Amino acid sequence: AQRVTQPEKLLSVFKGAPVELKCNYSYSGSPELFWYVQYSRQRLQLLLRHISRESIKGFTADLNKGETSFHLKKPFAQEEDSAMYYCAPDASGGSYIPTFGRGTSLIVHP
Amino acid sequence: GAVVSQHPSWVICKSGTSVKIECRSLDFQATTMFWYRQFPKQSLMLMATSNEGSKATYEQGVEKDKFLINHASLTLSTLTVTSAHPEDSSFYICRAVTPGGQATDTQYFGPGTRLTVL
Repeated sequence: AQRVTQPEKLLSVFKGAPVELKCNYSYSGSPELFWYVQYSRQRLQLLLRHISRESIKGFTADLNKGETSFHLKKPFAQEEDSAMYYCAPDASGGSYIPTFGRGTSLIVHP
Repeated sequence: GAVVSQHPSWVICKSGTSVKIECRSLDFQATTMFWYRQFPKQSLMLMATSNEGSKATYEQGVEKDKFLINHASLTLSTLTVTSAHPEDSSFYICRAVTPGGQATDTQYFGPGTRLTVL
């Protein structure tokens, strides 16, 4: 069965510390991979996608096909990074239908 | 940037009544709109996908006669919860996608609608 796992419900770090939000997926084939973010009192938005190999707000995500992981990383966390982060593989074959993980709440303390 | 609005932002209704939620793309044409529901402290669950001018595609387990979706134009989709019951209380979110919609600038979420059924 297709499944996405974000093992941490909550991740708490201090400002300036590295942060890694874990995501593992179990899919047949090769899904497209995305991270979405929802800041407090704001709507959900797409943060980054694997295919673009992009770095957004200092965040990067590396795909490890062997481990079927797509962890989100940032070397130095900032307070404004505090938000809910959702890993979302999309295996819909071009139908723009990602499956959202349960989310990890990142809290960055001053 | 592009904006998707939802109306109302919250609604309280009596059991047995119907509630309509609107999702509008304000400055772009959305070929596809998606409706999600989110329970407290849980992830988003896709309910249905709608393309302008065609019938919505519902996910397994979602009653199409209970959750009526209409996508009458490229800027408006509506979700009507018919004969609402307390278990329908949830946070409903729409997502609008433009063609080629996997980029960060081609998909947008609405702010959500909080439905409470008494």
